[in-house]
Amino acid sequence: QVTLRESGPALVKPTQTLTLTCTFSGFSLSTTEMCVSWIRQPPGKALEWLARIDWDDDKYYSTSLKTRLTISKDMSKNQVVLTLTNLDPVDTATYYCARTRLHLGDPQLDYWGQGTLVTVSS
Amino acid sequence: QSVLTQPPSVSAAPGQKVTISCSGSSSIIVNNYVSWYQQLPGTAPKLLIYDNNKRPSGIPDRFSGSKSGTSATLGITGLQTGDEADYYCGTWDSSLSAGVFGGGTKLTVL
Repeated sequence: QVTLRESGPALVKPTQTLTLTCTFSGFSLSTTEMCVSWIRQPPGKALEWLARIDWDDDKYYSTSLKTRLTISKDMSKNQVVLTLTNLDPVDTATYYCARTRLHLGDPQLDYWGQGTLVTVSS
Repeated sequence: QSVLTQPPSVSAAPGQKVTISCSGSSSIIVNNYVSWYQQLPGTAPKLLIYDNNKRPSGIPDRFSGSKSGTSATLGITGLQTGDEADYYCGTWDSSLSAGVFGGGTKLTVL
């Protein structure tokens, strides 16, 4: 059974750094073509893809947020960590992590966590 | 503004069929596979269609996907009130090595 769970602070102040953890089970991030992605969704708005880390430690980032994002993995804990620096109120959103399988080079986000709401406010 | 364009909303009666379009700027759809996600109110998105037209295990065949040129389409037949949700198309922009989603389409089953 594949599960993912996001965790992190619910409230952060502007200019601070957000650290989110995705803890997963039911699959291994060392399996070829296995990845984890982060996606966010501001209240009432559309999904926005943020980042992806692959089994071979390749990393990919949103072009608009690239300078502020870092993704990493801890294989011993089955966790993927996302950091977002220099927070602004526009970063207020529900943040999701999703298991991502590469099929013919196409990333399929086939299992999602329930999401965690992060509010950026002073 | 997303590089994938979807209509903001569609509606149809129970039992009817509806289609949701996803058009891409430049060659993003031409050169990449398209996925579709269903987001029921208050829940996380769920993969509905991958590789343009394949359904994951457990997704009923009322849901279908297709792609032609610079556009992709999600079709839903035999509409049910439980299908009321937001639907998103998504793809991998291989030119940018980044994922992209459409702006989402709200389906109302009247």
